[in-house]
Amino acid sequence: AQTVTQSQPEMSVQEAETVTLSCTYDTSENNYYLFWYKQPPSRQMILVIRQEAYKQQNATENRFSVNFQKAAKSFSLKISDSQLGDTAMYFCAFRGNEKLTFGTGTRLTIIP
Amino acid sequence: DTGVSQDPRHKITKRGQNVTFRCDPISEHNRLYWYRQTLGQGPEFLTYFQNEAQLEKSRLLSDRFSAERPKGSFSTLEIQRTEQGDSAMYLCASSLGWTGTLTNEKLFFGSGTQLSVL
Repeated sequence: AQTVTQSQPEMSVQEAETVTLSCTYDTSENNYYLFWYKQPPSRQMILVIRQEAYKQQNATENRFSVNFQKAAKSFSLKISDSQLGDTAMYFCAFRGNEKLTFGTGTRLTIIP
Repeated sequence: DTGVSQDPRHKITKRGQNVTFRCDPISEHNRLYWYRQTLGQGPEFLTYFQNEAQLEKSRLLSDRFSAERPKGSFSTLEIQRTEQGDSAMYLCASSLGWTGTLTNEKLFFGSGTQLSVL
C-alpha cells in the first residue's frame, strides 16, 4: 500500500516570500503520478501541479514548482512570490494504479 | 460543462437515520470516485466506478455504506443507521478514465457534502 507523509502540519510566511512544503511517499511501483492539491476554506479541492514519475524534469506552473527526488521518494512544492490567496490547506497526493492517496495536509497561511 | 456537482451541500441527521448523497460528474467522464474527509485530515478513498461498474471498495466502506452508479451517469452514496463517527465531508470526483498505457487523468472534485450526525 502507498503512504504519503506531510510532516509540516502548519506553516506561515510573509506575503511575497517563498515557501516550500515537504512531502514524502512510499511505494513499490515504478510508474505513478504525484500531485499537489490546494483546499481553500470553501473546501473545493483544486489541482495545483502534477508530476509524472518517469519524467526527470521538475514540473512548474507559474509561481508553483516542485522538487521531485525519485530515489529519495520526495516531492516538495515551492511557492514563489506568495500571495494572500495562497492561504489554504495543501495536500500532497500519490496516484499509482487507480486511486489517489492523500497526505494529511499542511495548513499554509500567508501573512500580509 | 458545469463541473462536478454534489447534493446536498450540508446534511444534518440524527443517529440511526439513513442518508443519501448524490454526485453528478462531468458528463463525458467515465470514472467516479467517492472520498471522505474529516476535519484536519486528507481525503480518504472510499470507492470508485468505471461507468456503472464498482471496481474497488475501501475497507473504510462498512456494510452500512452502499454506493451505486446506475447507467454510468450520476452516483449515490447511502449511509444506513448513521453513527456520530460518520460525520465528515463526503467528496466526489470524476475523470475521463483510461487514456493510454498508464492511467493519465486529472480528477475534478465537487464541493462535497458535509454530514453532521447528532
